[in-house]
Amino acid sequence: DTGVSQNPRHKITKRGQNVTFRCDPISEHNRLYWYRQTLGQGPEFLTYFQNEAQLEKSRLLSDRFSAERPKGSFSTLEIQRTEQGDSAMYLCASSLDNTEAFFGQGTRLTVV
Amino acid sequence: AQKITQTQPGMFVQEKEAVTLDCTYDTSDPSYGLFWYKQPSSGEMIFLIYQGSYDQQNATEGRYSLNFQKARKSANLVISASQLGDSAMYFCAMRGTGGYQKVTFGTGTKLQVIP
Repeated sequence: DTGVSQNPRHKITKRGQNVTFRCDPISEHNRLYWYRQTLGQGPEFLTYFQNEAQLEKSRLLSDRFSAERPKGSFSTLEIQRTEQGDSAMYLCASSLDNTEAFFGQGTRLTVV
Repeated sequence: AQKITQTQPGMFVQEKEAVTLDCTYDTSDPSYGLFWYKQPSSGEMIFLIYQGSYDQQNATEGRYSLNFQKARKSANLVISASQLGDSAMYFCAMRGTGGYQKVTFGTGTKLQVIP
């Protein structure tokens, strides 16, 4: 499978716990994006990497959120001290420069 | 800043008929790209079609075509010969250039194809 891969697919966590999601983009893609999608809404931009550099962060990304792409390949998104409002689908996408972005299947987070 | 507006929360279409999903946008970027994605109930976002702001012709991909009217800032998706498998959420999105590399999405239109 050469598409965008996200792990885990589902995560249930207790409020206050930390969670980490992983995204493996399409191998030749230099850009990687994280989005959050809640029920009935379109995806909301969180952050964007060009290779290993994090070039843009949304105001939605509070201090509890951090994303890395250490070697310009896979990326991780960590949420510290999770809150119920963090429950959502977290989508990762990748693209080659300004071409279309391809999305993974997402990680559905439920905070109980 | 970029903004995408999709004013149709839901649409119905008879199988084999054509349907148009509306999208208007706002941006201050002189150069930008417009996208349509399909999201079935399974959740994955599937890329459908792309239109560049300087493209002279409207984009087409199989049964999908993008009716791009730059002066009106609209980028409507036309699906011809609708199939039952077209039932899904459809999102219009755009990406600017320069400092606006993120892709901004609209709120989506839920399309239901009726047999």
